[in-house]
Amino acid sequence: DVKVTQSSRYLVKRTGEKVFLECVQDMDHENMFWYRQDPGLGLRLIYFSYDVKMKEKGDIPEGYSVSREKKERFSLILESASTNQTSMYLCASISGTGGWSGANVLTFGAGSRLTVL
Amino acid sequence: AQKVTQAQTEISVVEKEDVTLDCVYETRDTTYYLFWYKQPPSGELVFLIRRNSFDEQNEISGRYSWNFQKSTSSFNFTITASQVVDSAVYFCALSENNAGNMLTFGGGTRLMVKP
Repeated sequence: DVKVTQSSRYLVKRTGEKVFLECVQDMDHENMFWYRQDPGLGLRLIYFSYDVKMKEKGDIPEGYSVSREKKERFSLILESASTNQTSMYLCASISGTGGWSGANVLTFGAGSRLTVL
Repeated sequence: AQKVTQAQTEISVVEKEDVTLDCVYETRDTTYYLFWYKQPPSGELVFLIRRNSFDEQNEISGRYSWNFQKSTSSFNFTITASQVVDSAVYFCALSENNAGNMLTFGGGTRLMVKP
């Protein structure tokens, strides 16, 4: 089974701090995604990456950046955390060669719940 | 632009009741994919089903069934004889063709099944 691991389940940070959320997948997937989940809004795409060193903005990239130095690791960075970034963050990965066919499904980590005070 | 609407934010049922979760989508593409995910209290989204736009056959998997109707742009999910373990947040999602595995999610429906 594909495993997507998010290193921190719960974080509490102060306004202005730099925050790193780490995501590691163990199935050699090309495509990785960061979503933010808020009640009533579902999941919204922040950034995604189709390969090492590659990154693309999603629907709500403002206030965030990402890093993909190794294929298995996709990091979400909050340069200067603000209270409106208090949320649940979900990482996901999928093989880049399978499209939506067969057993190729987007697999999610358990999430990182961030509170910014 | 694509959009997914789950009008029911919260549903509460008693165990063994049947329950239907609604999902309505908008897209201009003729080729697209629809999904349902379950998010139990543990937080990890669990994939339930994927449907492509050319396959309108309804699907049944145990107590779960899905009704896909292009005429009404709906992809509804029914749980028959609900159980307490079905309590979770359920998300409907859409991926347009050539969207590179990106999903657009609905707002989610929180289902509470009481014993």
